[in-house]
Amino acid sequence: DAGVIQSPRHEVTEMGQEVTLRCKPISGHNSLFWYRQTMMRGLELLIYFNNNVPIDDSGMPEDRFSAKMPNASFSTLKIQPSEPRDSAVYFCASSQWDSNEQFFGPGTRLTVL
Amino acid sequence: ILNVEQSPQSLHVQEGDSTNFTCSFPSSNFYALHWYRWETAKSPEALFVMTLNGDEKKKGRISATLNTKEGYSYLYIKGSQPEDSATYLCAFPETSGSRLTFGEGTQLTVNP
Repeated sequence: DAGVIQSPRHEVTEMGQEVTLRCKPISGHNSLFWYRQTMMRGLELLIYFNNNVPIDDSGMPEDRFSAKMPNASFSTLKIQPSEPRDSAVYFCASSQWDSNEQFFGPGTRLTVL
Repeated sequence: ILNVEQSPQSLHVQEGDSTNFTCSFPSSNFYALHWYRWETAKSPEALFVMTLNGDEKKKGRISATLNTKEGYSYLYIKGSQPEDSATYLCAFPETSGSRLTFGEGTQLTVNP
């Protein structure tokens, strides 16, 4: 298995632009998690899905952030409009329902100028 | 919100030293305890999943123990090497299929 796939690996954009991060979970995993890593707050959970349904989005910082999971093999995290304080590494992880062991993707490093 | 605490926050040791650090978690309604290793500029990788009181798991020079009654887990590294330098995270799920609550991690630096 290729593991969790994230794209792009690096994104540099200007303030005000829309940014879309993509994630393909491991096949057969039915839970998907979006995290953000910052210097100040470490690894923080933004939102997670079980069987494509958002379960807990309390970590999503503001209305500028939205996430979707249209099917079991694809999820997006969108920031619109982006701001410099959104600069961080965004990780996607997936797990099987009965396991909790999460497998992390390589992350997307976002820089908003 | 679950409280998962790790100590120390950071640790510097010399190559060859053995070291250990602690993860504390709520002892009631225990489900499982996870340890992750997170190298700089990489993504977290699962080390151990521990479920039973008294569990001891080992992977090479790294081992972990679990005490669910008192709510702690120890991670041990024997004969530390520079490549062991990483942040070690523990995480605690509320139930099967739920989110993991991560501790803030112990940042280990092994000096050659």
